[in-house]
Amino acid sequence: QLHLQESGPGLVKPSETLSLTCTVSGGSISSSIYYWGWMRQAPGKGLEWIGSIRYTGTTYYSPSFESRVTISVDPSRTRFSLSLTSVTAADTAYYYCLRHGSGALHFDSWGHGTLVAVSS
Amino acid sequence: DIQMTQSPSSVSASVGDRVTITCRASQAISRWLAWYQQTPGKAPKVLIYTASTSESGVPSRFSGSGSGTDFTLTISNLQPEDFGTYFCQQTSSFPLTFGGGTKVEIK
Repeated sequence: QLHLQESGPGLVKPSETLSLTCTVSGGSISSSIYYWGWMRQAPGKGLEWIGSIRYTGTTYYSPSFESRVTISVDPSRTRFSLSLTSVTAADTAYYYCLRHGSGALHFDSWGHGTLVAVSS
Repeated sequence: DIQMTQSPSSVSASVGDRVTITCRASQAISRWLAWYQQTPGKAPKVLIYTASTSESGVPSRFSGSGSGTDFTLTISNLQPEDFGTYFCQQTSSFPLTFGGGTKVEIK
C-alpha cells in the first residue's frame, strides 16, 4: 500500500526558504502514469495546489507560486522535495505531499500533512 | 485558470438527511471533476472522480453528477461520519484548482 510521509522544519523565518521532503514507500516514483505533488492548506482555509512533478523531471507549477517554487525528485527515486523561497507569514499552512494520475488529475494518495509556521 | 465556485459554503443537516452540494466551473470541463471529503485533523480523501465515478471503498450514499460547467455531489442518508468539509476540484487541466469548500455541520 502506498504511503507518503512529509518531513522538514516546522518553523521557518520570514524571507527564508521553506524546504520539505516527501518519502514514498509501497510504490514507485518512477511509474510513468503518476505525478507527485504538493498542496497546502492554511489553518481553517481551502486547498491550494502548489505544483507537481513526473519522475522524468517534468514539472507543472501553480502561477501563484511559480516565481519562487521548485519541486524535484531525488536521484534515489524514493523521495521528492518542495522548495519555496522568500516566505512570509502568509505561507503558514499545512503542507501535504500527494500523488495524482497523468491522465486523471485527481489526488488519490495523500501524506498526513505537516504544519509549517513562518515566524521570526 | 479555471475558477471553481462551490455552494453553499456551509449546510446544517441531521443524520438521515439528503445533502446536495454544487460546484460550478468558470469554463466547460467536460466531466473532469473530483470531489473530496475532509474531516477535522485529517488529509482530504477523494470520493468521486470524473464527475460520477466512485473511488473504491466509498459508500454508495455518495454520488456525483454533472458535466460541462455544473456539477453536484449528493449525500443520501447522511451519517455521523459524513460531517466535515467537502471540496470540488477540476481535473481538466493545469493549474489544478479547487472550490472553496462546503462545511457540513450537525443540526
